[in-house]
Amino acid sequence: DIQMTQSPSSLSASVGDRVTITCRASQTISSYLNWYQQKPGKAPKLLIYAASSLQSGVPSRFSGSGSGTDFTLTISSLQPEDFATYYCQQSYSTPYSFGQGTKLEIK
Amino acid sequence: EVQLVESGGGLVQPGGSLRLSCAASGFTFSSYWMSWVRQAPGKGLEWVANIKQDGSEKYYVDSVKGRFIISRDNAKNSLYLQMNSLRVEDTAIYYCARWYNWNDYYFDYWGQGTLGTVSS
Repeated sequence: DIQMTQSPSSLSASVGDRVTITCRASQTISSYLNWYQQKPGKAPKLLIYAASSLQSGVPSRFSGSGSGTDFTLTISSLQPEDFATYYCQQSYSTPYSFGQGTKLEIK
Repeated sequence: EVQLVESGGGLVQPGGSLRLSCAASGFTFSSYWMSWVRQAPGKGLEWVANIKQDGSEKYYVDSVKGRFIISRDNAKNSLYLQMNSLRVEDTAIYYCARWYNWNDYYFDYWGQGTLGTVSS
């Protein structure tokens, strides 16, 4: 099974900051990597698929990069509505595993 | 507008059963793989199962194999999860999600979730 590890597990930042979250796979997954945002009490929402493709309707301040085993999610200028928990997920092979999550909090 | 609405959650004793349902609308249900993903209270996300458009292929996470059964009824635009031999560690919010499965692979729409609690 493929293990997904995110870092950091939590992060404090301010509105307007540039933030980067990292996700590492335990084996190569090509570009089969997706990012989701989850707010408290809500379902996850797809942000980025195939490592770097922006889901329709998602603001362009979100971007993704990477391939193989190392991936990043970048938010170029944090907005108040971006404070949430972010998960990476590999879709290379079953079981389709998620990272443990990165909680982004207001500084 | 794509909508996924789960139901069927509740409180059950260890060893008991629950059947979750997911009503889909706003898209051609029979054209998509579908999935269940769960989240234990205060924890992260865990993929549970996937089912192909015609139900001919099903995949499960090891921890539920032999206990959970994913199924679908395309005539009713509905997805199901039969959960048997439930354990305390199966307590979670269960989300129904659409699995996009053409060249790229991801959960593109999610329901609001239904809570299944296993406790004595």
